[in-house]
Amino acid sequence: DAGVTQSPTHLIKTRGQQVTLRCSPKSGHDTVSWYQQALGQGPQFIFQYYEEEERQRGNFPDRFSGHQFPNYSSELNVNALLLGDSALYLCASSIQGAGGFYTFGSGTRLTVV
Amino acid sequence: GQQLNQSPQSMFIQEGEDVSMNCTSSSIFNTWLWYKQDPGEGPVLLIALYKAGELTSNGRLTAQFGITRKDSFLNISASIPSDVGIYFCARWLQGGSEKLVFGKGTKLTVNP
Repeated sequence: DAGVTQSPTHLIKTRGQQVTLRCSPKSGHDTVSWYQQALGQGPQFIFQYYEEEERQRGNFPDRFSGHQFPNYSSELNVNALLLGDSALYLCASSIQGAGGFYTFGSGTRLTVV
Repeated sequence: GQQLNQSPQSMFIQEGEDVSMNCTSSSIFNTWLWYKQDPGEGPVLLIALYKAGELTSNGRLTAQFGITRKDSFLNISASIPSDVGIYFCARWLQGGSEKLVFGKGTKLTVNP
């Protein structure tokens, strides 16, 4: 049983560019949450998707957007990249209403130069 | 009130030693969660605590929910090299919310 799968594992982008990160949730999970983890910090909640809609959002600007597809997979898009967007982006899946216990993916390491 | 303060920031210990780390907050919470993050991986839930004073074990790990509901500690007994990683405490942002707030973590290094 595959867990949460994220792609790509690493990428490098230039300031001002746009990036799309992808996540496939654990089998049987219907909710996807995205977290940003800067170096030396704990993960910070970006937003959560359920039933193809953004349900909750953390303190992140509109440059961060997402999407959830009918098969529950999700994308995180970041526009107009800044150097400060360099971080590990974690996807976590869960079952809605089941207490919110996540299964995290291994993350995508984004470097903005 | 939402911030979680973890200490120590890092620990260097010898294999076989016991480890203790803690997490505090200025706010009262109903749940404490402890996660471990291995290098290059996402966090994995170790222990969840739901009641003040609750003491819960998971193998060599023991965690307690403080009586004041503002703190929690995690102990690891007889450490082994695979205990290396970053340990995070976390809580739900608000009742019914599925948003997690994490501390900054305690980085553990175990010397064989």
